[in-house]
Amino acid sequence: DTGVSQDPRHKITKRGQNVTFRCDPISEHNRLYWYRQTLGQGPEFLTYFQNEAQLEKSRLLSDRFSAERPKGSFSTLEIQRTEQGDSAMYLCASSRGARNEAFFGQGTRLTVV
Amino acid sequence: AQKVTQAQTEISVVEKEDVTLDCVYETRDTTYYLFWYKQPPSGELVFLIRRNSFDEQNEISGRYSWNFQKSTSSFNFTITASQVVDSAVYFCALSDLPSRLTFGEGTQLTVNP
Repeated sequence: DTGVSQDPRHKITKRGQNVTFRCDPISEHNRLYWYRQTLGQGPEFLTYFQNEAQLEKSRLLSDRFSAERPKGSFSTLEIQRTEQGDSAMYLCASSRGARNEAFFGQGTRLTVV
Repeated sequence: AQKVTQAQTEISVVEKEDVTLDCVYETRDTTYYLFWYKQPPSGELVFLIRRNSFDEQNEISGRYSWNFQKSTSSFNFTITASQVVDSAVYFCALSDLPSRLTFGEGTQLTVNP
C-alpha cells in the first residue's frame, strides 16, 4: 500500500498523559500536513512541513502540541499533558508540492478520559 | 480570511435520484484552489476533484459533475443516479498557496435503497 499511513488508529489516554502519533506520507511527497477533526466538523489545519522544515503553525496548535519531521520523511505529532478537549481525529496528509492535491491517511482517533 | 459554507448539513435521497451538494466560498485571493473530498464511515478523506480559480470549466467524471461559478463563489457537486455506496460525508475545501486547506463543515449524504 503506497498511501498515507498513520499509527496508531485509535488511542485512549488518561488526562494529563503525553501521546505521540506517527504519519508516514506517500514516499515522493515533500509536503506533509496535520489536521484535527472533531465530531460533526470539517478538518482544521494544524501545521505543515515542506521536507523537514515546519513552515506554518495554526493558532490551534498550543504549546502542548509539537510536530516534527526529521529527515523530511515520516512525521510525529506529540501532545503533552492531554486534556479532554484534545479528543478528536488527527489526520495527516501529504502532497507533491504546493499546487497538488493532498492525500489523507485514515487518521488517529484520540480519546482523552 | 477564507471561509467555506456548506449549507446542507444532511441530505437523504432514494437510490437513483440525482443530488446536488452546495458549496459557497469566500476568499480575497485571486489565485486559489477548490476541492471536494469524500469521507466514508471508515474515516479516510478521499480526494475527488481539484479546480483552480482560473478554470471555470465544468467537469464530469462518470456519475459525478462539478459546477464552478466564480460570479457566485460557488462550487457545487452533483451525483447523478445516486447509489447506496455514495453514502458518506462530503467536504468542500478551499486552498490558497501555500496550500493549507480550509474545509466546510460537510454534508452527510444518505442514499437509501
